[in-house]
Amino acid sequence: QVQLRESGPGLVKPSETLSLTCTVSGGSISSYYWTWIRQSPGMGLEWIGYVYYTGSTNYNPSLNSRVTISVDTSQNQFSLNVNSVTAADTAVYYCVRRVTTKPMYCFDHWGPGILVTVSS
Amino acid sequence: AIQMTQSPSSLSASVGDRVTITCRTSQDIKNDLGWYQQKPGKAPKILIYTTSYLQSGVPSRFSGSGSGTDFTLTISSLQPEDFATYYCLQDYTYPLTFGQGTKVEIK
Repeated sequence: QVQLRESGPGLVKPSETLSLTCTVSGGSISSYYWTWIRQSPGMGLEWIGYVYYTGSTNYNPSLNSRVTISVDTSQNQFSLNVNSVTAADTAVYYCVRRVTTKPMYCFDHWGPGILVTVSS
Repeated sequence: AIQMTQSPSSLSASVGDRVTITCRTSQDIKNDLGWYQQKPGKAPKILIYTTSYLQSGVPSRFSGSGSGTDFTLTISSLQPEDFATYYCLQDYTYPLTFGQGTKVEIK
């Protein structure tokens, strides 16, 4: 059974960089689109972006190019960096596997989520 | 980005009731819509993908329908474990976007 788990600091100072890692167990990170989604009271669920196992990426323009997502297939991990954070980046961050095998397009496996608070 | 309008934002219902939640998109997304259930403190869980395909293990009382810009999630007979928040997601084009959620509460 595939499992995902987020790790990283729960508190980040304004203007600094938020860095999270997702460890995938029970399956290979090869294939699939590995995605970050966040959830805050004000914005609901927001798709941040994905990295394919080859390293190709796609990001939400709403984050104004502050986001980088990368993959380390040797460690079965992928990572999220959000720079120049503000209080608006306070949210629960989920790492998620996206399936794109017709007709199945969905987020089928989610990590438990990690709360990141931006505060000085 | 495609805008998602989900309604109602909340509803109260009793066990055994038939519940319908709708999602409207700002442009045609064919049938590339999914429904997710979220319980407090937990990650969302996929219920239905590509409008009407039931995810493995999801009870058959859940069903989805629609196409184009109008979609519906139906729970045929609400069970105690179904009290949760439900979100639609358009999977048609990037950036992927979610509806704002429908909280189903006990009447």
